[in-house]
Amino acid sequence: GAGVSQTPSNKVTEKGKYVELRCDPISGHTALYWYRQSLGQGPEFLIYFQGTGAADDSGLPNDRFFAVRPEGSVSTLKIQRTERGDSAVYLCASSLTGQGATGYTFGSGTRLTVV
Amino acid sequence: GEDVEQSLFLSVREGDSSVINCTYTDSSSTYLYWYKQEPGAGLQLLTYIFSNMDMKQDQRLTVLLNKKDKHLSLRIADTQTGDSAIYFCAEIMDSSYKLIFGSGTRLLVRP
Repeated sequence: GAGVSQTPSNKVTEKGKYVELRCDPISGHTALYWYRQSLGQGPEFLIYFQGTGAADDSGLPNDRFFAVRPEGSVSTLKIQRTERGDSAVYLCASSLTGQGATGYTFGSGTRLTVV
Repeated sequence: GEDVEQSLFLSVREGDSSVINCTYTDSSSTYLYWYKQEPGAGLQLLTYIFSNMDMKQDQRLTVLLNKKDKHLSLRIADTQTGDSAIYFCAEIMDSSYKLIFGSGTRLLVRP
């Protein structure tokens, strides 16, 4: 596609439930990133994929968070046993390579609300 | 450690210049960026500057970098109502891919 697509755009879930957030990067972009933006804050890095593998998952806050990119294109961020503190906008970005950020394209994000 | 700080809010009149400031702490930053975020939209890269430059101009945008003081600014000339948004500065380390963002400055342009 022309840009990075994220679905759903909004997700409301109950505390304790499982959610999946999807990111469809720009075709041909090998690098894919997930960031989390809490209210009133700047985005914070979660995980970086180069191809199918997670090259850096140091930003994932705990083991309830997991992300996959099985075919090197679409990625899914999975959150188990959601907590109210997980409420945020989850942003995905992709780039042609993994070096530098001049070529990052961000999606519009998924706003997750845990009630 | 990595820390990027910005003032929270700026209000200007349409047609005036806006200056948004940012300070960062890590001297190994390679690139510094300005992103714009409008409601419900993703982050749009406005401009960036390499750490060995002092200034970069791109149409209405001027970026100034004071590496000694670790201070970055974004000047928007002839500010328009469409410039109302949240502006984030961000840094990236040498050979890295991880963006470190500030908390954002909300710019309000009054008619």
